Amino acid sequence: AQSVTQLDSQVPVFEEAPVELRCNYSSSVSVYLFWYVQYPNQGLQLLLKYLSGSTLVKGINGFEAEFNKSQTSFHLRKPSVHISDTAEYFCAVSGGSNYKLTFGKGTLLTVNP
Amino acid sequence: SAVISQKPSRDICQRGTSLTIQCQVDSQVTMMFWYRQQPGQSLTLIATANQGSEATYESGFVIDKFPISRPNLTFSTLTVSNMSPEDSSIYLCSVSSGGVGDTQYFGPGTRLTVL
Repeated sequence: AQSVTQLDSQVPVFEEAPVELRCNYSSSVSVYLFWYVQYPNQGLQLLLKYLSGSTLVKGINGFEAEFNKSQTSFHLRKPSVHISDTAEYFCAVSGGSNYKLTFGKGTLLTVNP
Repeated sequence: SAVISQKPSRDICQRGTSLTIQCQVDSQVTMMFWYRQQPGQSLTLIATANQGSEATYESGFVIDKFPISRPNLTFSTLTVSNMSPEDSSIYLCSVSSGGVGDTQYFGPGTRLTVL
């Protein structure tokens, strides 16, 4: 079985500050990791994903994430956030022969002026 | 990436009634999924919609409550039956090509309120 823990339910930051949203996972098989963003009243949009290879993954809108197998983490980072980055961010995992996604509970990022 | 639409985008329904949600994709896809997102919560997979056969339901979800159809590779419906206020949620469909690690693309969701 797989599980995802997003350690922070809410992260408030000021505009142009750096941010890190934390995600830890557990799985008994090799994993594929995803970050999705959900803007208010919208569906989910893929930010980035890790399948294999380089542990640093770059995504859309200036976001990146680093896969750390020893720490079972896949934290999302952005060096300088904008007001428009205010949204809910979900970490998700699939693995082995299982195509199903297991989602974390989400982190609400609020960027203040 | 696939373009996915859902109808209706939102609805307010009375207790005991049923609502059918449609999901349309602009290209043929192998896998279609239905999720529920309760207020302030994460996404929970309801079922995988299988073309030409019965849907595969996750633990805690049953066909009598959430009947699903998938008549072809671009369309699916989810019905929420005999609704109660606890069914108030956002219902999302997603699609993928079906390979392990493949990206799932999500529709905009249907926001359901049950009074």
